[in-house]
Amino acid sequence: EVQLVESGGGLVQPGRSLRLSCAASGFTFDDYAMHWVRQAPGKGLEWVSGISWNSGSIGYADSVKGRFTISRDNAKNSLYLQMNSLRAEDTALYYCAKGSSGTWAPFDYWGQGTLVTVSS
Amino acid sequence: SYVLTQPPSVSVAPGQTARITCGGNNIGSKSVHWYQQKPGQAPVLVVYDDSDRPSGIPERFSGSNSGNTATLTISRVEAGDEADYYCQVWDSSSDHPGVFGTGTKVTVL
Repeated sequence: EVQLVESGGGLVQPGRSLRLSCAASGFTFDDYAMHWVRQAPGKGLEWVSGISWNSGSIGYADSVKGRFTISRDNAKNSLYLQMNSLRAEDTALYYCAKGSSGTWAPFDYWGQGTLVTVSS
Repeated sequence: SYVLTQPPSVSVAPGQTARITCGGNNIGSKSVHWYQQKPGQAPVLVVYDDSDRPSGIPERFSGSNSGNTATLTISRVEAGDEADYYCQVWDSSSDHPGVFGTGTKVTVL
């Protein structure tokens, strides 16, 4: 059974940093691209960042480019999102999502999310 | 950047057909994926590559894509289909390729 478990969320002040993690199990992690998708309270889904199986291809949404860094450790079956210079508008539930095949493929499994709140 | 537009809401009676549109410039040239999200839950993929269904998704869910509009069709709607639905594409022309639609709330009357 595929499982994606996010962690690392919490309350953080504007301008500070936070690192999210996603622990994956139930599939061959290094065969698939992985992504972060967020959802602000009461709002729609927003793709944040994605990384190919070998970290050779990475993409970011304009809203986070230069502030967020995605990475993965295939030996640990883990995905990460380093978030710097956080803003109030980054407040959201952050989902880890697995790509079905290829780097830019639909998301076939999602975690339950970790909540990030940016506030003073 | 590429924009996907969905109607905010669609209402449908049980047993009837719901159609949810997703508009985008020449979206017919892209592969469209659809997600269902129920309150307090993570999204679930219901249609991918315009019209394919993942295993476990009922045949009542179908999709089409042509021109500037993609459509998710839910036949014989059930109360359990009440949810938010999002379309999604990859915009390969940019370096930030993930795009979601604005989302549609489906209400079963």
